[in-house]
Amino acid sequence: GNSVTQMEGPVTLSEEAFLTINCTYTATGYPSLFWYVQYPGEGLQLLLKATKADDKGSNKGFEATYRKETTSFHLEKGSVQVSDSAVYFCALSLYNFNKFYFGSGTKLNVKP
Amino acid sequence: GAGVSQSPRYKVAKRGQDVALRCDPISGHVSLFWYQQALGQGPEFLTYFQNEAQLDKSGLPSDRFFAERPEGSVSTLKIQRTQQEDSAVYLCASSSIAHLGRGPATNEQYFGPGTRLTVT
Repeated sequence: GNSVTQMEGPVTLSEEAFLTINCTYTATGYPSLFWYVQYPGEGLQLLLKATKADDKGSNKGFEATYRKETTSFHLEKGSVQVSDSAVYFCALSLYNFNKFYFGSGTKLNVKP
Repeated sequence: GAGVSQSPRYKVAKRGQDVALRCDPISGHVSLFWYQQALGQGPEFLTYFQNEAQLDKSGLPSDRFFAERPEGSVSTLKIQRTQQEDSAVYLCASSSIAHLGRGPATNEQYFGPGTRLTVT
């Protein structure tokens, strides 16, 4: 079947630390991959995406590379800020505008 | 409006009551999705509309769940005879282009703030 597995949180970091949130997937076809972020009290927002192997999605200092050989899409940021504190969801979609399969989310806490 | 809106934002229902949750997608968006998000979990797909047609309802957990989008814009998710296990946040998302079949999913889904349903 189709599924996404994320590292469990919460992840607690000090400001300016390096961030990695692991995400691996299982898919019956060739998926597109996404990271969504949910800030406290707000809805899900697209953070970045990649549609084919070796593509790198990037936004707001966050990056993730689509690795087909390891079925992974790990999220990284070189220097986190307090404002990055949120819940991060990895997701996949198989066909254009079809349903998304989400991971369980990873809560990030960044301390000053 | 500028984004997807949902109402009510919070709903408390007694077990056995019927509830109706509303979603206003972004104007002109053809595709509309409903997801259920249990506490501490990621969203799970419930159903999908392209305009007024419900093309996929494979995620609806039981026949107590019903969704409609009669004019291809606003959608309503109805839950009959609510149970405690229905307690969750219900998310609506919309997308600008219809389901085109096989091919890379390049367009994002825009999510509303959700309706938190608590069944007591």
